[in-house]
Amino acid sequence: AQSVSQHNHHVILSEAASLELGCNYSYGGTVNLFWYVQYPGQHLQLLLKYFSGDPLVKGIKGFEAEFIKSKFSFNLRKPSVQWSDTAEYFCAVNAPGGNNRLAFGKGNQVVVIP
Amino acid sequence: DSGVTQTPKHLITATGQRVTLRCSPRSGDLSVYWYQQSLDQGLQFLIQYYNGEERAKGNILERFSAQQFPDLHSELNLSSLELGDSALYFCASSVAGQGIADTQYFGPGTRLTVL
Repeated sequence: AQSVSQHNHHVILSEAASLELGCNYSYGGTVNLFWYVQYPGQHLQLLLKYFSGDPLVKGIKGFEAEFIKSKFSFNLRKPSVQWSDTAEYFCAVNAPGGNNRLAFGKGNQVVVIP
Repeated sequence: DSGVTQTPKHLITATGQRVTLRCSPRSGDLSVYWYQQSLDQGLQFLIQYYNGEERAKGNILERFSAQQFPDLHSELNLSSLELGDSALYFCASSVAGQGIADTQYFGPGTRLTVL
């Protein structure tokens, strides 16, 4: 079964700072990778996803993520955060070819101070 | 708005009771997934249905069951409720059940509080 690790559960930063959230997964085969965001009191929304092709993927709201196969990583980045980026961010993985259940990391609680 | 709807939004009940959570997938999606989000366990996959049939089971307790109806909506039944069942229950839907690159879209969730 796949497992996902996210470190630095709580991140506090100022507006205009850069954000990078790490995500590592353990699975030996091909994977699909996702980042979801959960704004306070809201449901999970898809930020971006990687299935194949260019390992640098761009998502909504200026976020991007890079898949590094050799490191089993899929880190999320945003060059300049805004107060509205305050949310919890979840990395998730599933394995194509099997059922599509998602394995989630524990999440990163990000607080952006105006 | 993801197109996935869930009712009710909030549910408060007592230990030992039984509740039913309902989910309607996005138009055209055949798969429905149920996830539980709690502070200690995080987001955990419970069960998946594809076009009316159970496709995969995760960390779902025997006291919990689910089904998907011919119109593709799904219900999650939780019985003999315990305090530890208090959590946010999310439903997600996707086009396919397995085998292809597929994206799950999440509903707003049902917050269950067991007193």
